[in-house]
Amino acid sequence: GAGVSQSPSNKVTEKGKDVELRCDPISGHTALYWYRQRLGQGLEFLIYFQGNSAPDKSGLPSDRFSAERTGESVSTLTIQRTQQEDSAVYLCASSKRDYNEQFFGPGTRLTVL
Amino acid sequence: GQQVMQIPQYQHVQEGEDFTTYCNSSTTLSNIQWYKQRPGGHPVFLIQLVKSGEVKKQKRLTFQFGEAKKNSSLHITATQTTDVGTYFCGGGSNYKLTFGKGTLLTVNP
Repeated sequence: GAGVSQSPSNKVTEKGKDVELRCDPISGHTALYWYRQRLGQGLEFLIYFQGNSAPDKSGLPSDRFSAERTGESVSTLTIQRTQQEDSAVYLCASSKRDYNEQFFGPGTRLTVL
Repeated sequence: GQQVMQIPQYQHVQEGEDFTTYCNSSTTLSNIQWYKQRPGGHPVFLIQLVKSGEVKKQKRLTFQFGEAKKNSSLHITATQTTDVGTYFCGGGSNYKLTFGKGTLLTVNP
C-alpha cells in the first residue's frame, strides 16, 4: 500500500519568506510526527498529533513554526519568516498508535538562501 | 529533559567484521526503537524493545535492552556492504521518542 508522502521534495526559498510543507500519512494511522534533521545530525522532534487530542508542540523551536492537522489525515508544517538556520530535511512520520513503529516519509529538503 | 546518547558517532569496518552501536538514556525508557537510514534515504524501522533485559535477533542483527531499561545495543555480525547507513535509537517514555544522533556505519568491501 501507499506509504507516507511528503511534498514538495525540495524547497529553495529566500530568507524571510514563508514556506508550507505537507505530509500525507498512511491511511488509518492516528499518530503523526514532524521531525527536523540537520545535515549529519539526528532526528529532532518538532510536533506530535494523535487523533483529535491537543497536539504536543513542545519541540517547535520558535513561534515562527506552526503545524496543523485535519482530523487523522493531512498535516502541514508552516515556517514563517524563514532563516538560514531553518535549512534542513523535514521528516514526517505516522504510526497506528502510540508505541508503534513509525513510518517515515521521504522528507522535504528545505534550503533557505 | 530526556537525553539519548549514542556511541560511536562513526564506525568504519572491513566487510565481515562485527559492529556494535550503543544507546544510553538519562531516564528510564518505556520502550526503545531502532531505525536504519541509508545514505540519502529516510529512517526505516528495524525493531522495538519493551521488556527489561530483552534480546531480539533479526538474522545477523542482535538487539538488547538493558535490565534498567536505560540502555540498548545493536550488534551486527559479519557486516556486509548492504549494512551501510546510519543507525538511530529512539527511546520513549510515552508516545514521544527521543532519538540519539545515530551511528554512521561504513563498510569497506
